[in-house]
Amino acid sequence: AQSVAQPEDQVNVAEGNPLTVKCTYSVSGNPYLFWYVQYPNRGLQFLLKYITGDNLVKGSYGFEAEFNKSQTSFHLKKPSALVSDSALYFCAVRDIGDDKIIFGKGTRLHILP
Amino acid sequence: NAGVTQTPKFQVLKTGQSMTLQCAQDMNHEYMSWYRQDPGMGLRLIHYSVGAGITDQGEVPNGYNVSRSTTEDFPLRLLSAAPSQTSVYFCASSRTDSGNTIYFGEGSWLTVV
Repeated sequence: AQSVAQPEDQVNVAEGNPLTVKCTYSVSGNPYLFWYVQYPNRGLQFLLKYITGDNLVKGSYGFEAEFNKSQTSFHLKKPSALVSDSALYFCAVRDIGDDKIIFGKGTRLHILP
Repeated sequence: NAGVTQTPKFQVLKTGQSMTLQCAQDMNHEYMSWYRQDPGMGLRLIHYSVGAGITDQGEVPNGYNVSRSTTEDFPLRLLSAAPSQTSVYFCASSRTDSGNTIYFGEGSWLTVV
């Protein structure tokens, strides 16, 4: 069965600094990987996904993520953080050939002015 | 642009009562699912469906029933509500091709007293 780990409950970054939100996964086959963002009292919004091809994936709002098969990681990154990036971020995985999509516990990102 | 629609948005139940959370999507998605979100637990999959007449259990199915009589609708039934079912519930849908993005409703806040 697939699983996702987000090792940090909270990440604090100063505005303008680069940010990284970590995600590792476990699947039996090849993974489809996703990042979603949740703002207070709202549903989840899609940021980006890795299906195949280039290991560096670019998504919405200047975010990108790097797929690393040997480390089974899919860390979310942004070169320069904005206060408006403060939110709850979820990593998710879908095993190829399976239907379920499993989410991590989420990482709360605080961007400090 | 309705997307995924959930009702009700807020509900208070007494222990032992039953209720149904409604979910409808207008994107002709085969895959639909229900998640619950609890602090520190992230999003946990309750039940999912890959098409009309087909449902399967997720990570935390106990205490919940689902059915899928049409492509558009995927209601979640709480048979006998318990305080442990106090949570925020999200419905989501996507195409069944595993690389497709999953789209979320705005959530239903349920309190069981």
